[in-house]
Amino acid sequence: RKEVEQDPGPFNVPEGATVAFNCTYSNSASQSFFWYRQDCRKEPKLLMSVYSSGNEDGRFTAQLNRASQYISLLIRDSKLSDSATYLCVVNGGSQGNLIFGKGTKLSVKP
Amino acid sequence: GAVVSQHPSWVICKSGTSVKIECRSLDFQATTMFWYRQFPKQSLMLMATSNEGSKATYEQGVEKDKFLINHASLTLSTLTVTSAHPEDSSFYICSSDGTSGSDGTYNEQFFGPGTRLTVL
Repeated sequence: RKEVEQDPGPFNVPEGATVAFNCTYSNSASQSFFWYRQDCRKEPKLLMSVYSSGNEDGRFTAQLNRASQYISLLIRDSKLSDSATYLCVVNGGSQGNLIFGKGTKLSVKP
Repeated sequence: GAVVSQHPSWVICKSGTSVKIECRSLDFQATTMFWYRQFPKQSLMLMATSNEGSKATYEQGVEKDKFLINHASLTLSTLTVTSAHPEDSSFYICSSDGTSGSDGTYNEQFFGPGTRLTVL
């Protein structure tokens, strides 16, 4: 089983749609969880951290289920500018490094 | 948040040459820096962890004699791809641990803008 697995997509949605991404991780000892956004040919940028109680930042809502080792990201009222690849990221490497999923590509169409 | 720069942003070289990539923390001291590599449509894969003043720790399958890492100061880590070949063509990204938020309560990794290496 891969360390971090994501729905590969691509997700093609119209503007205004609600879209959800899922992710599972294999290391039950992982303590920190994130969603990063990566635009084409650019470095990843932190979108939001994911907390056990779930957290919301504007149109973005992240959920964590430790028992199922499952993380989700919900984007409401999607905008054209949301088009990017969304990376599920878990802190848990032996050196304290981040472990990245392959990413889910989102394309928001007018 | 903290700023990490990388240089060069892109490089094209002939097979067999060596390429040095610099990663700098501009407004903070980075004891630890991470070097990642990303092939097209793949996830970022950690290559090595660079520690200031000591030897880097390489991930399994990464040749330490091919990918030389030097972290001689708290603001600079370098990755040298020695005798580069076309299969080394990739997007190389460095990052460093830091904190964000007005009171520094959030742990975050700050990424450099990446270096795109193309070996002909």
